[in-house]
Amino acid sequence: DGGITQSPKYLFRKEGQNVTLSCEQNLNHDAMYWYRQDPGQGLRLIYYSQIVNDFQKGDIAEGYSVSREKKESFPLTVTSAQKNPTAFYLCASTRGIGNQETQYFGPGTRLLVL
Amino acid sequence: SQQGEEDPQALSIQEGENATMNCSYKTSINNLQWYRQNSGRGLVHLILIRSNEREKHSGRLRVTLDTSKKSSSLLITASRAADTASYFCATDAEGNNRLAFGKGNQVVVIP
Repeated sequence: DGGITQSPKYLFRKEGQNVTLSCEQNLNHDAMYWYRQDPGQGLRLIYYSQIVNDFQKGDIAEGYSVSREKKESFPLTVTSAQKNPTAFYLCASTRGIGNQETQYFGPGTRLLVL
Repeated sequence: SQQGEEDPQALSIQEGENATMNCSYKTSINNLQWYRQNSGRGLVHLILIRSNEREKHSGRLRVTLDTSKKSSSLLITASRAADTASYFCATDAEGNNRLAFGKGNQVVVIP
């Protein structure tokens, strides 16, 4: 059963704490993406990776970090520098890096600050 | 940066009616995509239309693209309660395999 998974579904962060959101895909896709979704603002790109061991900043990378050590995994760390982390986080992947690629999304992780 | 902007923002219709939503963008594109998002879930790809295409169909979905006006529309015919969702357009104007998503258009289909 191929797909893209995210865990956990809900995540609570204390002040000053770093938390890591997991994203795994078994689609053998080359590229992976992290988006943040706030109410009424659509999706904003945080980071993306087109190949293993390489990634680029998106539009709102400050306060976040990523790694791409394996093709199937693209974890996102929300650091204490991110002052307003409460949001719905979506991970996506594409088979290749052409401009007609369809993005496949995971179910999302909702991050809440205690 | 947000490229697409859907209009209207929220739409409530009766089951069986048609639902139309629009998306505008600012710069040249190679293609435009529409996605659906059910509440609290990930997005699902619906349809892609290339810049040299004017209209495309997929089941009950009809997408049009007017590159001269930099706009696209998504029509859902004979709507069903299961069509209740948010609908997003996304363009490839950013390049480098990045998509720019609009703010979404919430559709509620009343049974």
